[in-house]
Amino acid sequence: DSGVTQTPKHLITATGQRVTLRCSPRSGDLSVYWYQQSLDQGLQFLIQYYNGEERAKGNILERFSAQQFPDLHSELNLSSLELGDSALYFCASSVDPGSSGDTQYFGPGTRLTVL
Amino acid sequence: EDQVTQSPEALRLQEGESSSLNCSYTVSGLRGLFWYRQDPGKGPEFLFTLYSAGEEKEKERLKATLTKKESFLHITAPKPEDSATYLCAVPSFRGGSNYKLTFGKGTLLTVNP
Repeated sequence: DSGVTQTPKHLITATGQRVTLRCSPRSGDLSVYWYQQSLDQGLQFLIQYYNGEERAKGNILERFSAQQFPDLHSELNLSSLELGDSALYFCASSVDPGSSGDTQYFGPGTRLTVL
Repeated sequence: EDQVTQSPEALRLQEGESSSLNCSYTVSGLRGLFWYRQDPGKGPEFLFTLYSAGEEKEKERLKATLTKKESFLHITAPKPEDSATYLCAVPSFRGGSNYKLTFGKGTLLTVNP
């Protein structure tokens, strides 16, 4: 158990819908990262937050957005869902991104299926 | 753009048959290389961090090594419970801060009893 929690574990929805994925980082970790994992693309970085502020964006679609709240939990919002958005979505957290020794610990993931 | 390539894509071993997995990387200034283990449908589990060429780290039947261009994950006398996908990743830095990990596509290891 990494200490990172994600809910829900599974999500099944229809095209065009909007969903919210939730992540709670490990105690003491200030930075949260979101990744998408599909069979053909592997693990792809989406976005990073640090202490409530967006720090970096990867290949995140405009239909996707995220935020980190004062209690440090984070939510990833996916809207106008398409079949191709079906994937595993992982959240990771770390203590200090400024340190070269900083380790990202991953949550169990949310499996999103768009029908 | 940082790149990580892992080989082989899949490896099937008999229990007790030792082997190695390869991770080659192209980065502008390596500041660490990470190995993770991922079971089907689960999140990646951290195994090792390596920082400089020549460094080695061990955990049970696993030993990770690092050169200037690649890293190896050596598996000695594997057991069926070592079956998993092994992922290699490098951090990318911007403004002195790590903002993402770039992952290889992984090696799917299957150990048969």
